[in-house]
Amino acid sequence: NAGVMQNPRHLVRRRGQEARLRCSPMKGHSHVYWYRQLPEEGLKFMVYLQKENIIDESGMPKERFSAEFPKEGPSILRIQQVVRGDSAAYFCASSPSSLGQVNNEQFFGPGTRLTVL
Amino acid sequence: ILNVEQSPQSLHVQEGDSTNFTCSFPSSNFYALHWYRWETAKSPEALFVMTLNGDEKKKGRISATLNTKEGYSYLYIKGSQPEDSATYLCACRIQGAQKLVFGQGTRLTINP
Repeated sequence: NAGVMQNPRHLVRRRGQEARLRCSPMKGHSHVYWYRQLPEEGLKFMVYLQKENIIDESGMPKERFSAEFPKEGPSILRIQQVVRGDSAAYFCASSPSSLGQVNNEQFFGPGTRLTVL
Repeated sequence: ILNVEQSPQSLHVQEGDSTNFTCSFPSSNFYALHWYRWETAKSPEALFVMTLNGDEKKKGRISATLNTKEGYSYLYIKGSQPEDSATYLCACRIQGAQKLVFGQGTRLTINP
């Protein structure tokens, strides 16, 4: 059973370009979470999605950032018109059901390291 | 704002010694506490999920305790080995929320 997959592992963009980060959850998992780690900071929640629905986007910047989890295919985190401050490691996690179930764990991918030049 | 604190930030321990570190979180509206082990360039690996006050969990040489009334959890490593070197993260979840709020982590280095 493959774990959570993220690609690319490293992404370099120039200011003003778009960045697309992909996350394939573990088989059988229908809940996806995106976290960001800025330099010298801890993991910060961005968004929680179920298939075709955004459930909680309280951690997403209001502009330029969007996320989706279509019925088919991976979850996508999209950053438009990137700026240097977007340089960070972006991690995706998945769970088989919502964290509403006690002892339900989130399984993390290896992350995508975004560098904005 | 939910604030999760871990201490110390970093720790150097001699191989064979035992060690422990702390995760502090707000006790109000607590739902669950997660511990992760994170090696450089790898994915964070889930260690424990704890929910009940007084709970204690163990996996090999690693164990954790939980005090929800005072808002802290301890992670213990017995007889440290070089492969225990990693960053240990705790994350808290409050009632009614889906997201995990992470601490900054404790970076553990085991000296051979």
